[in-house]
Amino acid sequence: DVQMTQSPSTLSASIGDTVTITCRASQSIGTWLAWYQQKPGKAPKLLIYKASTLESGVSSRFSGDGFGTEFILTIKSLQPDDFATYYCQSYDNNAYSFGRGTKLDIK
Amino acid sequence: EVQLVESGGGLVQPGGSLRLSCVVSGFTVSSNYIGWVRQAPGKGLEWVATIYSSGSAYYPGSLKGRFTISRDNSRNTVFLQMNSLRAEDTAVYYCATLIATGGTAEYFHHWGQGTRVTVSS
Repeated sequence: DVQMTQSPSTLSASIGDTVTITCRASQSIGTWLAWYQQKPGKAPKLLIYKASTLESGVSSRFSGDGFGTEFILTIKSLQPDDFATYYCQSYDNNAYSFGRGTKLDIK
Repeated sequence: EVQLVESGGGLVQPGGSLRLSCVVSGFTVSSNYIGWVRQAPGKGLEWVATIYSSGSAYYPGSLKGRFTISRDNSRNTVFLQMNSLRAEDTAVYYCATLIATGGTAEYFHHWGQGTRVTVSS
């Protein structure tokens, strides 16, 4: 099974900052990668799929990039609503694997 | 609008069983893909099961044999039968639709609000 290593586990930033979160797959997954945002007590929300495709209705301040084993989520011009936990998720051969999450909090 | 409503969670003793339900509206379960994802208290997300439009079901190796996903097309409902429950199965269980971009189902799209399962004596 594919293992997803996400970093950092926590990230402190200020309103207006640009931040990046990295996800590394234990084997090549092409562009079979998604990013989710989760707020406390709520279900996750799909932000980006196929590594770089923005889900409908998601702010263009979110962007994804990567291929193979290295992937990045970038959030530009941080807004108060962006402070949450972010997860990457891979797909490979009918199996799904999540990263351990990155908690983004206000500095 | 797609909506998913889970139910069936609760307190169960170790070794016991529980069946979770996920009623779906705005989305036909028989011709699409549905999955379950869980989240233990204070922990990350873990894939539990998926059922494809073909009826094929998939599980992570760690859960195979104890959990079974199924569906009732007439009720547009998906179930998760959980047997031989352990303390480490304690979690919020979410059902979610999946989207297919490459001929199969790769990403979790619409999510329910979750149902809490506690395994404890």
